[in-house]
Amino acid sequence: DIQMTQSPSSLSASVGDRVTITCRASQSISSYLNWYQQKPGKAPKLLIYAASSLQSGVPSRFSGSGSGTDFTLTISSLQPEDFATYYCQQSYSTPRFGQGTRLEIK
Amino acid sequence: EVQLVESGGGLVQPGRSLRLSCAASGFTFDDYAMHWVRQAPGKGLEWVSGISWNSGSIGYADSVKGRFTISRDNAKNSLYLQMNSLRAEDTALYYCAKDMYDYIWGSYQFDPWGQGTLVTVSS
Repeated sequence: DIQMTQSPSSLSASVGDRVTITCRASQSISSYLNWYQQKPGKAPKLLIYAASSLQSGVPSRFSGSGSGTDFTLTISSLQPEDFATYYCQQSYSTPRFGQGTRLEIK
Repeated sequence: EVQLVESGGGLVQPGRSLRLSCAASGFTFDDYAMHWVRQAPGKGLEWVSGISWNSGSIGYADSVKGRFTISRDNAKNSLYLQMNSLRAEDTALYYCAKDMYDYIWGSYQFDPWGQGTLVTVSS
């Protein structure tokens, strides 16, 4: 099984900050990496697929990069509605999610 | 608008069974693979099972293999998860999710998701 490790597990930031979350796969997954946002009490929402493709309707301040084993999700200028938990997920083989990164207001 | 509505959750004793349903609307259901993903209280996400558009391909997480069975009824636009021999560690919110691409098995890109149905396994 391919394991996914996110860092950090939690992060405090302010509105307007640039934030980066990283995700590492235990073996190469090419670009088969997706990012989801989950707000409290809500279902996850797909933000980025295939490592860097922005899902329709997702603001352009979200971006993804990486390939192989190392990936990043960047939010260029945090907005109040961005405070949530973010998960990476590999779609190279049997799907597996990272443990999540909780983004909190500083 | 795509809508996925899960039902069938509840409180069940260890070792018993439960059947979850997901009613789909707003898209051509029989063109897409569908999945179940669960989230234990306060924990992360775990893919449980998936089924291709024509039921020809099915996959399970190791944690549920041999106990859970996924199925679909394209005439009823419905997805199901039969859960047998339930354990305390199966306690979770179970989400139904649509695959992004039609006629592809294995893309494993989940969009959108339903709101979930809660399964609690306890004596």
